Amino acid sequence: QSALTQPASVSGSPGQSIAISCTGTSSDVGGYNFVSWYQQHPDKAPRLMIYEVSNRPSGVSSRFSGSKSGNTASLTISGLQAEDEADYYCLSYTNAGTHYVFGAGTKVTVL
Amino acid sequence: EVQLVESGGGLVQPGGSLRLACAASGFTFSNSWMAWVRQAPGKGLEWVANIKEDGSQEYYVDSVRGRFTISRDNAKNSVFLQMNSLRAEDTAVYYCASQRVNFGMDFWGQGTTVTVSS
Repeated sequence: QSALTQPASVSGSPGQSIAISCTGTSSDVGGYNFVSWYQQHPDKAPRLMIYEVSNRPSGVSSRFSGSKSGNTASLTISGLQAEDEADYYCLSYTNAGTHYVFGAGTKVTVL
Repeated sequence: EVQLVESGGGLVQPGGSLRLACAASGFTFSNSWMAWVRQAPGKGLEWVANIKEDGSQEYYVDSVRGRFTISRDNAKNSVFLQMNSLRAEDTAVYYCASQRVNFGMDFWGQGTTVTVSS
């Protein structure tokens, strides 16, 4: 089972909006609304930012939003802030062999 | 406050075994699937295994199936990962995570480091 496809890096200036894509197949992203997104700062544990495509856990800023179209899910960060600089991973349930598959990760840089 | 605290990591020779433990608090442990996720040095996240609330179902990534076993003790609010026949490619930080959202991981421990090397 290959990892979901994410861009290696995305950058933006403070206040801008950026989007991170996560592309899979009909066996994972496209077939189920079980995509979640995680933020990971260096040497820290991951943090859940979005679950079930577009739901935001309590305590997560409304600047983070998720969506899905076909086999591609997206995480959008609005009003980019310095603290948003981190690695971001998508995760999807899959019916193809392994139970779950992560994306390879996207490094977000705030210019 | 939800807390997940992993322990049991260390240095082990190829072919050796380790048992990781994760102590949970701050939520109803017996109502939550639990998962182990690992991250090799400088690499991305990889789901390793997860276990149903009552321990009746377990799932594994192909690369560890037959070598690793996930288990839980709901009386002690703990989940375990028994790792046998360890290989160099199992070297990673291992995270314990709760799954109180559908097919997602809502809280994570701080991780425990496993190094497989001679």
